[in-house]
Amino acid sequence: DAGVIQSPRHEVTEMGQEVTLRCKPISGHNSLFWYRQTMMRGLELLIYFNNNVPIDDSGMPEDRFSAKMPNASFSTLKIQPSEPRDSAVYFCASSKQGSTEAFFGQGTRLTVV
Amino acid sequence: GESVGLHLPTLSVQEGDNSIINCAYSNSASDYFIWYKQESGKGPQFIIDIRSNMDKRQGQRVTVLLNKTVKHLSLQIAATQPGDSAVYFCAENEGLGSARQLTFGSGTQLTVLP
Repeated sequence: DAGVIQSPRHEVTEMGQEVTLRCKPISGHNSLFWYRQTMMRGLELLIYFNNNVPIDDSGMPEDRFSAKMPNASFSTLKIQPSEPRDSAVYFCASSKQGSTEAFFGQGTRLTVV
Repeated sequence: GESVGLHLPTLSVQEGDNSIINCAYSNSASDYFIWYKQESGKGPQFIIDIRSNMDKRQGQRVTVLLNKTVKHLSLQIAATQPGDSAVYFCAENEGLGSARQLTFGSGTQLTVLP
């Protein structure tokens, strides 16, 4: 298995632009998580899905952030409009039902200028 | 203005020595504790976990100790190798054995000296 696949690996965009981050979880995993990592705040859970349904989005910073999971093998995290303070590494992770082990992707390093 | 970031605790050990990385957690209701390793430019990688009804668990070259009385968790790495250089995070989980409610600590930077 290739593991959790995220794209792009790096994204540089101008303030105000829309940014879409993509994630393909490990096949057979039914939980998917989006995390953000910054030096200021460390690793923060933004949202998680169970069986493609958003369960807890309380970590999503504001309405500019949205996440979707149209099917078991794909999820997106969208920021519109983006701001410089959104600059961070965004990780997607997936896990099997009932497992404490979350498998992380390589992350997307987002820079908003 | 200049931003102030987290100052990660750092630990430097000589190759071949044992490493001990410590973590304090806050939620007494947490039922699982997990250690993750994050190498530069990569995502966190699961190392080992321990349930709250245990006080010690051993893996390959790693041992996790849990002291619920003082809410303290430690990761011991035996015979530390250069490939062990990374940031190590402890995470606590309150969620009936699911990964969904992981709360990560701020991390410790381990550097292995030749």
